[in-house]
Amino acid sequence: GAGVSQTPSNKVTEKGKYVELRCDPISGHTALYWYRQSLGQGPEFLIYFQGTGAADDSGLPNDRFFAVRPEGSVSTLKIQRTERGDSAVYLCASSPGLRSGANVLTFGAGSRLTVL
Amino acid sequence: GENVEQHPSTLSVQEGDSAVIKCTYSDSASNYFPWYKQELGKGPQLIIDIRSNVGEKKDQRIAVTLNKTAKHFSLHITETQPEDSAVYFCAASTTSGTYKYIFGTGTRLKVLA
Repeated sequence: GAGVSQTPSNKVTEKGKYVELRCDPISGHTALYWYRQSLGQGPEFLIYFQGTGAADDSGLPNDRFFAVRPEGSVSTLKIQRTERGDSAVYLCASSPGLRSGANVLTFGAGSRLTVL
Repeated sequence: GENVEQHPSTLSVQEGDSAVIKCTYSDSASNYFPWYKQELGKGPQLIIDIRSNVGEKKDQRIAVTLNKTAKHFSLHITETQPEDSAVYFCAASTTSGTYKYIFGTGTRLKVLA
């Protein structure tokens, strides 16, 4: 697509529930990133995919968070047993990957997660 | 690990005046420094970037300067307009490995008409 698409744009859930957030990157972009942005803060790195594999998941806060990208395009961020502290905007970004301009990230509009 | 500090956290200027936002970074291996503008309810949008082999870059009313020795970089917006009002983030990254960005905490810019 023309830009990075994220769904849902808003998600309200109850503490303890499971949620999935989806990211559809720019067509042809092999690199995909997930970031988390808390209110009044800058985005914080969660995980990076190059193709299908998670090349760097050092930002995932704990084992309740998991992300997949099975076909090297769409990615899903999965959060188990949600906690109120998980409330934030989850941003997805993509880049051309290992080609020129590889480090220029294009962000989606984000998925706002609210855990009650 | 890398740390990026950004100042000020809020900035109000009169329309037509200039605005300057400053960032410092800790990792001397960082060599790519993008600036993003984020409007309410939207994702960050790249407005300008600079690589470590360049000291200054300009694009119309926006300029960025980099001092590698001091590990400082700054965003300069001249002739500010109301539509420049937004939150601005600086970031630092390397052009190898994962290219992950470390962001500053943001500056809320208000341009007063």
